[in-house]
Amino acid sequence: GENVEQHPSTLSVQEGDSAVIKCTYSDSASNYFPWYKQELGKGPQLIIDIRSNVGEKKDQRIAVTLNKTAKHFSLHITETQPEDSAVYFCAAGGYQKVTFGTGTKLQVIP
Amino acid sequence: KAGVTQTPRYLIKTRGQQVTLSCSPISGHRSVSWYQQTPGQGLQFLFEYFSETQRNKGNFPGRFSGRQFSNSRSEMNVSTLELGDSALYLCASSLDNGGPYEQYFGPGTRLTVT
Repeated sequence: GENVEQHPSTLSVQEGDSAVIKCTYSDSASNYFPWYKQELGKGPQLIIDIRSNVGEKKDQRIAVTLNKTAKHFSLHITETQPEDSAVYFCAAGGYQKVTFGTGTKLQVIP
Repeated sequence: KAGVTQTPRYLIKTRGQQVTLSCSPISGHRSVSWYQQTPGQGLQFLFEYFSETQRNKGNFPGRFSGRQFSNSRSEMNVSTLELGDSALYLCASSLDNGGPYEQYFGPGTRLTVT
């Protein structure tokens, strides 16, 4: 089955700096790579996703990149703000099922 | 459109008891998945239901079971509770119209086993 590794497990950045979270996956058949943000006391929220036919996708301050050859994908957050503080999960899969990484706790220091 | 709802939000049970958790998906969503979230293990997939049938299953013991009703609402049951079952149980729904598996999560049920 699919195995997803996520790094780092914790990340502290100064407000305004950029944050990068990296994930690797094992199953070359995976073609869908979503990212979730989980705030305290809430369920994970889908914030952005990328599909295998695209190498990069942006949405305001958030961008995701995908390297299918190397089987890794990354989340980039620019101009971080205190409200970006949360746990972020990557996932990989396709139809009917995705496998999640172990999460990255991001702390943005004002 | 209302999001995924889960009831109850918090639950305290004693070891050996059983528990039933409920999930109402987003209107029109036919797939419901359940996950166990613990600090050390992240999001662990329990099972997924589609059109009242279990379509996928994770690596959990048979004490964990679920079902889905004709209106797509789902329940999961844990029998003979153990201390290690203490966790946040998350339900996620998906339209599953043949495209990528976009899931939308509920707020979770926090289960504490004493």
